[in-house]
Formats: sequence, structure tokens, C-alpha cells
Amino acid sequence: SQQGEEDPQALSIQEGENATMNCSYKTSINNLQWYRQNSGRGLVHLILIRSNEREKHSGRLRVTLDTSKKSSSLLITASRAADTASYFCATDGDYKLSFGAGTTVTVRA
Amino acid sequence: DAGVTQSPTHLIKTRGQQVTLRCSPKSGHDTVSWYQQALGQGPQFIFQYYEEEERQRGNFPDRFSGHQFPNYSSELNVNALLLGDSALYLCASSLISEWGELFFGEGSRLTVL
Repeated sequence: SQQGEEDPQALSIQEGENATMNCSYKTSINNLQWYRQNSGRGLVHLILIRSNEREKHSGRLRVTLDTSKKSSSLLITASRAADTASYFCATDGDYKLSFGAGTTVTVRA
Repeated sequence: DAGVTQSPTHLIKTRGQQVTLRCSPKSGHDTVSWYQQALGQGPQFIFQYYEEEERQRGNFPDRFSGHQFPNYSSELNVNALLLGDSALYLCASSLISEWGELFFGEGSRLTVL
């Protein structure tokens, strides 16, 4: 079974717009990570946020974590065509990751 | 510096056959984890190897087995293949002492007919 659930399942936006996706999880975590996957290829790590952090930035990415609500969000600002991909949240417990089903983002030119 | 490499990239097998997938971790990494990703789903944890031992295992049957070699490379073996084993198999490497980000290979796409 998967620990995290992303919402929405799919998202289509215009280039230059922001994209926001959410992740909810069920059990307590050590940290939460976000990964990107381009069309059935390997996953690329985007950002890791620890359970005692509330917000983290990396370039055009902003991640928030609310442990009381067991939820996280990923914001991609000023999206580009190259951001078209599937995005997965992964909860980290005991040296293994539990992934959600992902959000598929399509950025239209 | 080579990242995580996996082989083969694609393979087709028939039901009942056996398959071996291979993974070389990123240079300097000592831990290898294997994940199965069915079409349209997120990756599911199969097992993890560290110091040539299976450190922990996900909810997969004994048909799935693995091995880690002294050079940290790893193999995933699946016996008695079922149609439902068709998936992308991903290998990820990390350093156990600096647990956090996983580095993934491009995966091995297995099709079972």
C-alpha cells in the first residue's frame, strides 16, 4: 500500500503559470521528499524537508510541510515546458521511501 | 562520475520464466534499494541491501530475491514470472551514513507475456 497520496492526479497549466500539488500521508515521518519523473524514466530528487521544518525553497520550488495535518505541498513557480513530468511525494521512515501515485503535470507552450 | 546504471533497459519474458536485473550504484554509495513501478503508479519498495545483506523488505513474495556483491553492485531476481510482474524496476543507491536523497537509475522495463 502507498503511504502518500498526491492531489490532483493531473494538472495542465500554461507556461509561466505556477503549479501547486499536494500530498497527504498517514503515519508519522522522519522527513518527506519530492521526486520528478520524466515519461517512464528514472526518478530525480527535487527536495527533502525534515519533520521539524515547515518550509523549504530550492530555485523555483517551494515545499511546505504540516505535520499536524500530515500534508505537504509542492509549488513550482514560473513553469516551463521542461517541467512537464510526474511528481511524487515520498515519506521517509526507517531507511525506505513510500511513494504516492503522483501528479502528472503538463505545461503548455 | 557515473550515476546509477541498470541493465538491461528493456526485456520481454514469458510467464513462468525467471529474470535477473542488474544495478551498479553511484560511486561511493554502499546501499542499494529496489523498487517496482507499475504503469500509472508510484514506485513500491521491494527490498534494500547493505553490506551484502538484505536489510529490509517490502510486501513482495519470495519469488523476488536479490543479492549485493562486495563492490556494492546488486541483482534483483524474479522467479516464476506472472503477468502482473510487468513493470519498471528501479534501482536506487545511497550512503547509509548520510541517509536522505536517493539516486535512481533509469530502470529496467520488464514485460511478461
